[in-house]
Amino acid sequence: GDSVTQMEGPVTLSEEAFLTINCTYTATGYPSLFWYVQYPGEGLQLLLKATKADDKGSNKGFEATYRKETTSFHLEKGSVQVSDSAVYFCALTLYNFNKFYFGSGTKLNVKP
Amino acid sequence: EAQVTQNPRYLITVTGKKLTVTCSQNMNHEYMSWYRQDPGLGLRQIYYSMNVEVTDKGDVPEGYKVSRKEKRNFPLILESPSPNQTSLYFCASTGTGDSPLHFGNGTRLTVT
Repeated sequence: GDSVTQMEGPVTLSEEAFLTINCTYTATGYPSLFWYVQYPGEGLQLLLKATKADDKGSNKGFEATYRKETTSFHLEKGSVQVSDSAVYFCALTLYNFNKFYFGSGTKLNVKP
Repeated sequence: EAQVTQNPRYLITVTGKKLTVTCSQNMNHEYMSWYRQDPGLGLRQIYYSMNVEVTDKGDVPEGYKVSRKEKRNFPLILESPSPNQTSLYFCASTGTGDSPLHFGNGTRLTVT
């Protein structure tokens, strides 16, 4: 079945460190891929998305590239800030609208 | 402002006492859904609705009911809550095409 697997957290980094959060997926068709971010006490917000192979989604310094050959969509940021501390969710949908599949979430802690 | 509004934000209740969590969106979205978020399990879909009067079960529907009498509203009903329904609940909606999910800010439910 369709699913998303992302690295377990928490991930703790110092400010200005490089961030990678791994995400791999299994899908029967051609999914669209998303990263959502959840700040403390809030709902999930879309961070970035990619709708086809080799697309790169980017926003707020974060990037992720849709890699069909490795079924991956790893989230990266070159220099994290304390304000990036949050939980990050990788997700996919096949746009049949009844299913968005989410990973279990990765908590990121950034220390000054 | 485009948004999904859930109420209440926090709810403490006792086993067996019926409750309703409301959800409303102002984006004219056809699709709405309820998720619960539990530590280590990510988001799991409870119910979803493709349009007015059209609802279907998600992955964890037991103990929950929903209704979709109007396009903008999608309440979640717990007829007889139990402690294992203690969780953080999110309502979400999306439109057509490659639109992402828009989430409410969540309802933290505690059943004692």
